[in-house]
Amino acid sequence: GAGVSQSPSNKVTEKGKDVELRCDPISGHTALYWYRQRLGQGLEFLIYFQGNSAPDKSGLPSDRFSAERTGESVSTLTIQRTQQEDSAVYLCAGGSRSYNEQFFGPGTRLTVL
Amino acid sequence: GDSVTQMEGPVTLSEEAFLTINCTYTATGYPSLFWYVQYPGEGLQLLLKATKADDKGSNKGFEATYRKETTSFHLEKGSVQVSDSAVYFCALSDPLKGAQKLVFGQGTRLTINP
Repeated sequence: GAGVSQSPSNKVTEKGKDVELRCDPISGHTALYWYRQRLGQGLEFLIYFQGNSAPDKSGLPSDRFSAERTGESVSTLTIQRTQQEDSAVYLCAGGSRSYNEQFFGPGTRLTVL
Repeated sequence: GDSVTQMEGPVTLSEEAFLTINCTYTATGYPSLFWYVQYPGEGLQLLLKATKADDKGSNKGFEATYRKETTSFHLEKGSVQVSDSAVYFCALSDPLKGAQKLVFGQGTRLTINP
């Protein structure tokens, strides 16, 4: 595809359920980032993958959050036992290590009831 | 840690007005600075960037100059258009920290009236 894609675009879930969000980066982008954007706020860094290196998980807000990436392809962000404060837009971005720009997907809007 | 503070919105202007959106940063290293824009219904996209002091980033009539002495990266445009209505985010990353994760300001919603 031409850009970063994310699915689903919208997700409504009940408190306590698990959710899985998907990101398909641009081919060749070795770096992949997840961010969270709460209503009316800036983006918060969650996690970063670079090639086969250990991910930087320093932004994950709790152990309910986890993410995986296989090689330089698809990534999934999993939120277990969702809480209402998890409601946000979750954005994925990709980039190359040598080029100082990130390309963002359209995001997944998560609503926890 | 590193942080970005930008002008609170919303900002409403008339077409052809002059625009300034203030952005200041705090960083321990030598960050790169960015402005990202989010048009209604679209994803976040890079508007302009500057990687070292006194650099000027420019795109689509927008400009911002990296001012190390004032730790600022204010966004300016001389004559705004209705199509510039969007949310603007100032951000930084530190290339020396490896991850190059972006640290964002809270965003400024700009509305341009015809």
